[in-house]
Amino acid sequence: DAMVIQNPRYQVTQFGKPVTLSCSQTLNHNVMYWYQQKSSQAPKLLFHYYDKDFNNEADTPDNFQSRRPNTSFCFLDIRSPGLGDAAMYLCATSRNQAEINEQFFGPGTRLTVL
Amino acid sequence: QKEVEQNSGPLSVPEGAIASLNCTYSDRGSQSFFWYRQYSGKSPELIMSIYSNGDKEDGRFTAQLNKASQYVSLLIRDSQPSDSATYLCAVYTLSMEYGNKLVFGAGTILRVKS
Repeated sequence: DAMVIQNPRYQVTQFGKPVTLSCSQTLNHNVMYWYQQKSSQAPKLLFHYYDKDFNNEADTPDNFQSRRPNTSFCFLDIRSPGLGDAAMYLCATSRNQAEINEQFFGPGTRLTVL
Repeated sequence: QKEVEQNSGPLSVPEGAIASLNCTYSDRGSQSFFWYRQYSGKSPELIMSIYSNGDKEDGRFTAQLNKASQYVSLLIRDSQPSDSATYLCAVYTLSMEYGNKLVFGAGTILRVKS
């Protein structure tokens, strides 16, 4: 089945220790997104790639970086995690950025910062 | 910033009843509207999309859109305990200032009592 896969599902890191989260997709979608979701809050878009074109949200901290080496994979790097970065990180994909733009989410990675 | 507003709930309904979930949005130019279901600790799952004024039915779910009132709703008929989840309203906005993106509400918690 076509799907969005995230690894790991749970990640524990120490304050200030870099961490990388990964996302892969078999949907062959052009657009990949990274969201951060904290408890009882809406998912917050961090950035997205349209193919190789990177788009950063204005309020995404510099501590967050992303890489998309090919169509299938996208990575989220947190260079120096703080306690406030503990959250669920969601990867999503969509076929394009047209108005009819259904986004499909992976299972998420729960990040804990000690 | 473009906003999507939902009542946080919880909305409690008895099993078999109709659950009515509501959402308002601020961007009058929005054309695409989505409902996601999110179980506790899980990622959002797309359940309905609607693009035109009126009703769209899919099984027990009906989405209703009124662009003049900037209002979108989700009706769940014959509610089941398995419908207990947080329902996220999402609106695709087109903005020269903020870019094109999906903006989520914080969600309404639905509890179906057996």
